[in-house]
Amino acid sequence: SQQGEEDPQALSIQEGENATMNCSYKTSINNLQWYRQNSGRGLVHLILIRSNEREKHSGRLRVTLDTSKKSSSLLITASRAADTASYFCATYNFNKFYFGSGTKLNVKP
Amino acid sequence: GAVVSQHPSWVICKSGTSVKIECRSLDFQATTMFWYRQFPKQSLMLMATSNEGSKATYEQGVEKDKFLINHASLTLSTLTVTSAHPEDSSFYICSARALGSTDTQYFGPGTRLTVL
Repeated sequence: SQQGEEDPQALSIQEGENATMNCSYKTSINNLQWYRQNSGRGLVHLILIRSNEREKHSGRLRVTLDTSKKSSSLLITASRAADTASYFCATYNFNKFYFGSGTKLNVKP
Repeated sequence: GAVVSQHPSWVICKSGTSVKIECRSLDFQATTMFWYRQFPKQSLMLMATSNEGSKATYEQGVEKDKFLINHASLTLSTLTVTSAHPEDSSFYICSARALGSTDTQYFGPGTRLTVL
C-alpha cells in the first residue's frame, strides 16, 4: 500500500466475539481514520483519531493510536454478521489520505 | 450528511476507447476531490488530487496524459481514462473534501471499469 500495512489480512470470527485489527504506517500524521468497505462498494467512514489522542470510542468501536510506534488498532466488540466487510486505516498528512492494505473481516452467524 | 455520487456506476468498453467518470458532491461544495483506484482484493491507491480551477496533482507513477482530470466547478470533477486497455480495468473511487474542511472526506460509491 502507499502508506502501511494492516494485519491480519483476513480475520474470521463468530458472532458475538471481538475483532481486533492493526494498522502500521510510515510517516508522521495529522490524524488516522478507519473506513469500512462492503464488497464492491464505496467506503464508509467509521472513526477519526487525531495525532494527539491515544484512544477513542464510538459505539462498539474502539480505536487506539500509538504515534511512537506508528500504529493504530481498531476493536469491534460484540461483532455481528453485518460487520462482515473490509476495514481500512487511512492516514492524513500534507492534505492527502493514504490507505493501508486492509483487513477482511468475516463474522459467522 | 454529505453525499458524493459517481457516474456511471459501471462501464464496459473496448480497448482503445476513452471513458469519462464523473464525481459530484450533491449537497456541499468541494474545493478538493481525490481519485483512487482499487484492484480486486487490494487497497485504495491515491491517483491524483484535483483542485477546483487548477491542474490536478498526480501521484508518482500515475500517467497524467493517461488519466485526465478536470475539476471545473466546486461540485464536479471528471476522470477520463484515455485509450483504455485491459490493465486499466479497476474500481475507481472519488472522494470530496468540503469547503473549509481539512481532514474529512466523503467517498463516492465507485465506478467499475472493465476494458475488453
